[in-house]
Amino acid sequence: DTAVSQTPKYLVTQMGNDKSIKCEQNLGHDTMYWYKQDSKKFLKIMFSYNNKELIINETVPNRFSPKSPDKAHLNLHINSLELGDSAVYFCASSQDNGENTDTQYFGPGTRLTVL
Amino acid sequence: GQNIDQPTEMTATEGAIVQINCTYQTSGFNGLFWYQQHAGEAPTFLSYNVLDGLEEKGRFSSFLSRSKGYSYLLLKELQMKDSASYLCAVRFGGWGKLQFGAGTQVVVTP
Repeated sequence: DTAVSQTPKYLVTQMGNDKSIKCEQNLGHDTMYWYKQDSKKFLKIMFSYNNKELIINETVPNRFSPKSPDKAHLNLHINSLELGDSAVYFCASSQDNGENTDTQYFGPGTRLTVL
Repeated sequence: GQNIDQPTEMTATEGAIVQINCTYQTSGFNGLFWYQQHAGEAPTFLSYNVLDGLEEKGRFSSFLSRSKGYSYLLLKELQMKDSASYLCAVRFGGWGKLQFGAGTQVVVTP
């Protein structure tokens, strides 16, 4: 199926641990994103990559480090997890090229719970 | 960031029409999206407006007035499966940087 996929779907871990979330898209898009949706359901952009290059970097703690090995993958590594990191993390992709807007397609989300 | 305002919740009965309003600051506007999000699921694309006017897609329509910083999503012939959160998202500037509203929870009752 053509889609944006993420793994894992659920992640439960202890404070202080390091964890990664993986994202892959087979839509042939050049741009990928990470969003965080907190308990109040606000969806906020964290990072965006275009062809493996960082384009958007919102004010996110540097414990969060995105990595894009190729334009079809954008992974998110989180160091020293804190309670406040508990949220649903969505990956998305689009054919955005900086001038023309294209629809962003979202992955199924990863629900991270930090205990 | 830019403020994007939409009502928190709306309730309507099956078969009815509901209009969800969204207002935003006009500076830097570069397109507006509506997404539907069912509980525990990913947002899914409904509509996109960048020029003034109405875009119709089946039971769903979206309207934009750029000068007023205003959009609405119209849901007609409501069905139970339309119970979901509806997110207004505005692109400000380049590179797909979307700013989302908090979402409007639509509850459809029998």
